[in-house]
Amino acid sequence: GNSVTQMEGPVTLSEEAFLTINCTYTATGYPSLFWYVQYPGEGLQLLLKATKADDKGSNKGFEATYRKETTSFHLEKGSVQVSDSAVYFCALSHGSGNTGKLIFGQGTTLQVKP
Amino acid sequence: DAMVIQNPRYQVTQFGKPVTLSCSQTLNHNVMYWYQQKSSQAPKLLFHYYDKDFNNEADTPDNFQSRRPNTSFCFLDIRSPGLGDAAMYLCATSRDGEVTDTQYFGPGTRLTVL
Repeated sequence: GNSVTQMEGPVTLSEEAFLTINCTYTATGYPSLFWYVQYPGEGLQLLLKATKADDKGSNKGFEATYRKETTSFHLEKGSVQVSDSAVYFCALSHGSGNTGKLIFGQGTTLQVKP
Repeated sequence: DAMVIQNPRYQVTQFGKPVTLSCSQTLNHNVMYWYQQKSSQAPKLLFHYYDKDFNNEADTPDNFQSRRPNTSFCFLDIRSPGLGDAAMYLCATSRDGEVTDTQYFGPGTRLTVL
């Protein structure tokens, strides 16, 4: 079946460090891929997405490229800030027509220290 | 701003006492979703509505029901809450439920069962 696997956290970095959070997926067909971020006590916010192979999603300095050959969608940021501390979820959307459903990875907690 | 609103943000109920959680949206989206997110876990889809068509996930317990009286509102009813139902409940919407559509999440309702 369809699934998403993320690297385990927590990930602890110093401010201005480089960030990579690995995400791989298993899916039939042609899923769309998403990164959502959840700040403490809040719901999920879309960070970026890619809907076909080789697409790059980007937002707020974060980037991820849809790699079909390695079934991956790794999240990167060149210089993290304390305000980036949150839980990051990789997700895929599968289905057909209007039946798109999200399947989430287990989430990776990022802690950025000043 | 267009948004997804959930009320209440925090709900306390007693074991076995029915409870209803509310979600409303100003996005005029066709699809509304309910997710359950237990502590430190990924959100898990319970069910969704495409317009008035209800779609239940196969492993959603019968204890969970939903109503969508109009486009803007959707309710989650837990008929007899157990201790294991304590969780964050997230409502989300998407325009047409397609694989490429973004889902927009509300802030969540945290349910405590005593």
